[in-house]
Amino acid sequence: RKEVEQDPGPFNVPEGATVAFNCTYSNSASQSFFWYRQDCRKEPKLLMSVYSSGNEDGRFTAQLNRASQYISLLIRDSKLSDSATYLCVVNMNTGFQKLVFGTGTRLLVSP
Amino acid sequence: DVKVTQSSRYLVKRTGEKVFLECVQDMDHENMFWYRQDPGLGLRLIYFSYDVKMKEKGDIPEGYSVSREKKERFSLILESASTNQTSMYLCASKAWDEQYFGPGTRLTVT
Repeated sequence: RKEVEQDPGPFNVPEGATVAFNCTYSNSASQSFFWYRQDCRKEPKLLMSVYSSGNEDGRFTAQLNRASQYISLLIRDSKLSDSATYLCVVNMNTGFQKLVFGTGTRLLVSP
Repeated sequence: DVKVTQSSRYLVKRTGEKVFLECVQDMDHENMFWYRQDPGLGLRLIYFSYDVKMKEKGDIPEGYSVSREKKERFSLILESASTNQTSMYLCASKAWDEQYFGPGTRLTVT
């Protein structure tokens, strides 16, 4: 089983739609979780951290479900500029605090 | 503003050449990383360093080495480039949990 798994997509949605991505992780001892955004041919950038109580930043909401070992990202009122690949990232909490990146979920928002 | 720079955006090398990829960060971070990113495989950790002159192997260190002589600089070395090392190489430095990435070097080995 992969340490971090994501549906690669693509998710094709119209502007204004709500879309959600899930990500599962294998290490139950993981403590920190993140969503990064990567635009085509660009470097990944931190979108938001995921806290136990959930985290909301404008149109973006991240949730953590420890019992089922998954995190989610919800995007409301999708914009064309939201088109990107969203990387799920987990701190495996092993020794060096290694971050493990999922392969990403591609989102395409169309007019 | 946080900044991680990489020496080249695009690089073309021949099989067997020695290749140096340089990364510099201006944030005084102790932790630095080298990844490669390939379609369908995501980011894979090659090497990381948690202090000057300290280095640790990541998940795919074979065929690579690194150097960290100064805190701000972390170099990735391909001793003898091979075609299967054609990839996007991303350097990152880390504060707490957030990693800051450089713009990447797209390396093609022919």
